[in-house]
Amino acid sequence: NAGVTQTPKFRILKIGQSMTLQCTQDMNHNYMYWYRQDPGMGLKLIYYSVGAGITDKGEVPNGYNVSRSTTEDFPLRLELAAPSQTSVYFCASSYRVAGASSSDTQYFGPGTRLTVL
Amino acid sequence: AQRVTQPEKLLSVFKGAPVELKCNYSYSGSPELFWYVQYSRQRLQLLLRHISRESIKGFTADLNKGETSFHLKKPFAQEEDSAMYYCALGPPGGYQKVTFGTGTKLQVIP
Repeated sequence: NAGVTQTPKFRILKIGQSMTLQCTQDMNHNYMYWYRQDPGMGLKLIYYSVGAGITDKGEVPNGYNVSRSTTEDFPLRLELAAPSQTSVYFCASSYRVAGASSSDTQYFGPGTRLTVL
Repeated sequence: AQRVTQPEKLLSVFKGAPVELKCNYSYSGSPELFWYVQYSRQRLQLLLRHISRESIKGFTADLNKGETSFHLKKPFAQEEDSAMYYCALGPPGGYQKVTFGTGTKLQVIP
């Protein structure tokens, strides 16, 4: 199993450009997440998905969009890149049984380092 | 609002010395608490969580509800423990509202 994979590893964008960060997992996990990590800060949740076709906002969703058409893929879209979106982006996945009272283990991708100039 | 505080950005200890990475939290209710670790050039991974009450790689963490702390401890540091450590907190049963701390870099000096 490759686990959680992300592409690209690095990207430089100009202000106003758009791009899609790709995330794929091969563990048949139902939950998937996108985080961003700014320098010296903790991870902040952007969006998450509890299954194919279902997504919801996290703590910092502005400027981003997501979709979940399959269990495996959870792309993150930046429509109009801004310097404030310069960050490292992490995708993660987990498997949660409905009604479980405790959290399952999250698996993270290697991250995408994005710079907006 | 829930909050996680890791007061030390960098903690340097000598090999063989005890390690304590501090984590304090603010939460209404009974949270789930986690420690994540990121070794150099590796991805973030779960180290342990309080409900498991387990020891991973010699590390333990006890939830102290009175002091609202979840410090990570190891009696004898090893060089391979050098990494970034993140404390995280969330409501039971889901990662949707997990809050991460800013992380502490542990440097074990040979």
